[in-house]
Amino acid sequence: KQEVTQIPAALSVPEGENLVLNCSFTDSAIYNLQWFRQDPGKGLTSLLLIQSSQREQTSGRLNASLDKSSGRSTLYIAASQPGDSATYLCAAPTTDSWGKFQFGAGTQVVVTP
Amino acid sequence: SAVISQKPSRDICQRGTSLTIQCQVDSQVTMMFWYRQQPGQSLTLIATANQGSEATYESGFVIDKFPISRPNLTFSTLTVSNMSPEDSSIYLCSVDSLFGSGTRLTVV
Repeated sequence: KQEVTQIPAALSVPEGENLVLNCSFTDSAIYNLQWFRQDPGKGLTSLLLIQSSQREQTSGRLNASLDKSSGRSTLYIAASQPGDSATYLCAAPTTDSWGKFQFGAGTQVVVTP
Repeated sequence: SAVISQKPSRDICQRGTSLTIQCQVDSQVTMMFWYRQQPGQSLTLIATANQGSEATYESGFVIDKFPISRPNLTFSTLTVSNMSPEDSSIYLCSVDSLFGSGTRLTVV
């Protein structure tokens, strides 16, 4: 059974610092891995989806890496801004059925001005 | 990629009533998934909805409480029945690694 762990659970940084969010998964037979952002009381915003054949994916200040052999993914956010304050969720597919995802508990990020 | 429309986006309901959430996809898909996110928690899969067959429920979720319909390959509904305050959550549908915008349900 796929299990997803996110570390740290919470993170507070001053504006301008880089953010490093970690995600680990137990079953490496995944076809992709996805990072989401969630603002309080809202739905999910997809940030980056990394296919299993890729090692990283970039979008603007965001970069996500994927190492299937070690069961890890890392989300980097460069030059953080107060608007980056949100909860970031990592989701890995379960291996028992296509399209089902197991979510981590999330990392709550606060960027202070 | 597919576009998912989910409605309502939010609702406040009285305990004991039921709410039906709709999920529409702009292309045909085999499987649709329903998730729940309780306050302060991460997302948990409720069930998988396949067209033409009964939904498959995850441990801890039952059809009487969360009946699901899947009348065709582009549409599904999730009903939250006989609601209690513990059902206050965000409910999301998903297809092909994409997620709807969610329904924020508050039960009073």
